Amino acid sequence: QQQVRQSSQSLTVWEGETAILNCSYENSAFDYFPWYQQFPGEGPALLIAIRSVSDKKEDGRFTIFFNKREKNLSLHIKDSQPGDSATYFCAASESNNNAPRFGAGTKLSVKP
Amino acid sequence: GGIITQTPKFLIGQEGQKLTLKCQQNFNHDTMYWYRQDSGKGLRLIYYSITENDLQKGDLSEGYDASREKKSSFSLTVTSAQKNEMAVFLCASRLGGAETLYFGSGTRLTVL
Repeated sequence: QQQVRQSSQSLTVWEGETAILNCSYENSAFDYFPWYQQFPGEGPALLIAIRSVSDKKEDGRFTIFFNKREKNLSLHIKDSQPGDSATYFCAASESNNNAPRFGAGTKLSVKP
Repeated sequence: GGIITQTPKFLIGQEGQKLTLKCQQNFNHDTMYWYRQDSGKGLRLIYYSITENDLQKGDLSEGYDASREKKSSFSLTVTSAQKNEMAVFLCASRLGGAETLYFGSGTRLTVL
């Protein structure tokens, strides 16, 4: 069973638009939610993360919106650039557990 | 900075064969992970280890063995490769108390 779900396998936006990637989870004990970015031929790398005590985390063009009651979160990429084209993984973990679980990933394509 | 090295980068095996994938990290991280990446299914946890000689099963451990011989290395064995199996196996590590995972670039497995 997938503990972390990403609603879209792929997403295409035009350069300059805001890309919105959605994620939901099952386990109420999850309290840390990182997003990882993966380019072809590479391993995923941490992009931005949020803890469940917050409802928003911003880092430059990247913002996470978090809804604890609904058990979902979204990653917004403002002013999308072709260089943002990659696969984005939503993940979740409990602070007393060592093993993060990942969603299936959303492949983002940004067209110039 | 550190690096995670996975060997081999490409692995081709025969059905029923026992295959071993290796991972080395020089971050001096405590916890190491093996994830399997399949298209459309994201990253699924196979095994992890929180210290030398420790092993914890993940969600997909059946058909695999793992070994943490020393702090810097973590190997994964496919006990009997399945025909038409194709996936990327990702190794990651994390410093105890921190939450960011650092990934290697993966081993791509093909079984003929």
